Amino acid sequence: EVRLVESGGGLVKPGESLRLSCVGSGFTFTNYNMNWVRQAPGKGLEWVSSISGTGSYIYYADSLEGRFTISRDNAKNSLFLQMNSLRAEDTAVYYCARRASSFSPFDPWGLGTLVTVSS
Amino acid sequence: EIVLTQSPGTLSLSPGERATLSCRASQSVSSSYLAWYQQKPGQAPRLLIYGASSRATGIPDRFSGSGSETDFALTISSLGPEDFAVYYCQQYGSSPFTFGPGTKVDIK
Repeated sequence: EVRLVESGGGLVKPGESLRLSCVGSGFTFTNYNMNWVRQAPGKGLEWVSSISGTGSYIYYADSLEGRFTISRDNAKNSLFLQMNSLRAEDTAVYYCARRASSFSPFDPWGLGTLVTVSS
Repeated sequence: EIVLTQSPGTLSLSPGERATLSCRASQSVSSSYLAWYQQKPGQAPRLLIYGASSRATGIPDRFSGSGSETDFALTISSLGPEDFAVYYCQQYGSSPFTFGPGTKVDIK
């Protein structure tokens, strides 16, 4: 069974940093593009970042203004999102999701981890 | 950036009725790289349709997708009680991989 499990969320103050993790199982992790998508409370889905299987290709949403960094460790079947200079508007559930290729949909998704930015 | 617009915002229907959801793109979606996801409260999104019209594994055939270029639709032929949820369209052909704002299907 394919599983994605996120962790690392929590309550932080504005300006602080947080690192999210996503561990994949049930598939050959290095063969898949991985993504982060977030959802603010009561709002819709917002794509955040994508990374190719080897880590050679990386994309970010413009709204992040260079504050987030995506990375992966294929030896540990792990995806990461380093989030710096956090703002209240970054408060959201952060999901990781898999893509079979650059032209595949997001499937499946993890259960998500909640990040709350508040003073 | 491709902007996706979904309509209606909310669709109030009874079980057994037919639901038709619309997704319109601000520019042509390359090779119909358009997906539909279902999300229930407290759950992660689930892939329903990809490539505009292909059902994902395990998705019942009451769900169907259609359309091309800038106009797409998701149809649920007969609503089951488990189908009341929020539905999002997404284009995944070019970065940024944008989502529509969602259509909520609720019980009338």
